[in-house]
Amino acid sequence: SQTIHQWPATLVQPVGSPLSLECTVEGTSNPNLYWYRQAAGRGLQLLFYSVGIGQISSEVPQNLSASRPQDRQFILSSKKLLLSDSGFYLCARKGFNEQFFGPGTRLTVL
Amino acid sequence: GNSVTQMEGPVTLSEEAFLTINCTYTATGYPSLFWYVQYPGEGLQLLLKATKADDKGSNKGFEATYRKETTSFHLEKGSVQVSDSAVYFCALSDLYSGAGSYQLTFGKGTKLSVIP
Repeated sequence: SQTIHQWPATLVQPVGSPLSLECTVEGTSNPNLYWYRQAAGRGLQLLFYSVGIGQISSEVPQNLSASRPQDRQFILSSKKLLLSDSGFYLCARKGFNEQFFGPGTRLTVL
Repeated sequence: GNSVTQMEGPVTLSEEAFLTINCTYTATGYPSLFWYVQYPGEGLQLLLKATKADDKGSNKGFEATYRKETTSFHLEKGSVQVSDSAVYFCALSDLYSGAGSYQLTFGKGTKLSVIP
């Protein structure tokens, strides 16, 4: 079966601290991968997508970055967190024409 | 560009009531349409999908029909349960969006609360 893991599940970080969120996918090779953010009470915002190792496309300007060091690994990073970075971060992979989502990481920046 | 418009919530229903959540879309190509459900604190789960006009997607008692003439994909369920309380997202995937990445365009979500 194809499974998406996200780590950590929850995170509380101070403003100005670095960030690293990890997404790993099992059961498929070279999937298209996506990072979304969901702010409290709001819809989903696509942040980054990747069609392969080392290939990253950014959808919105921000202080976040993404990397894909391995086929099934997608990492979301920041050098200095802002209060506005708080939210629920979701990783997804492409299916046939739909997307399948991981369990998410709840990030609170204080 | 592509867009999805959902009815604004929150929606509160009594158990066993009939549910309709409206969704309309704008797309430049030939989209596939989806409904996702998000339970509190969890990621999104694909609820149902339809890939061409007049297709009906169904799952767990929920149904939605792809209506090209009205550009709609309304979600319905005949008898809701407390366990259906969640946020529902309508979305589309357009093969011809040009990005080649099969990006989804989401509505803003509709929160459903079902009370006993």
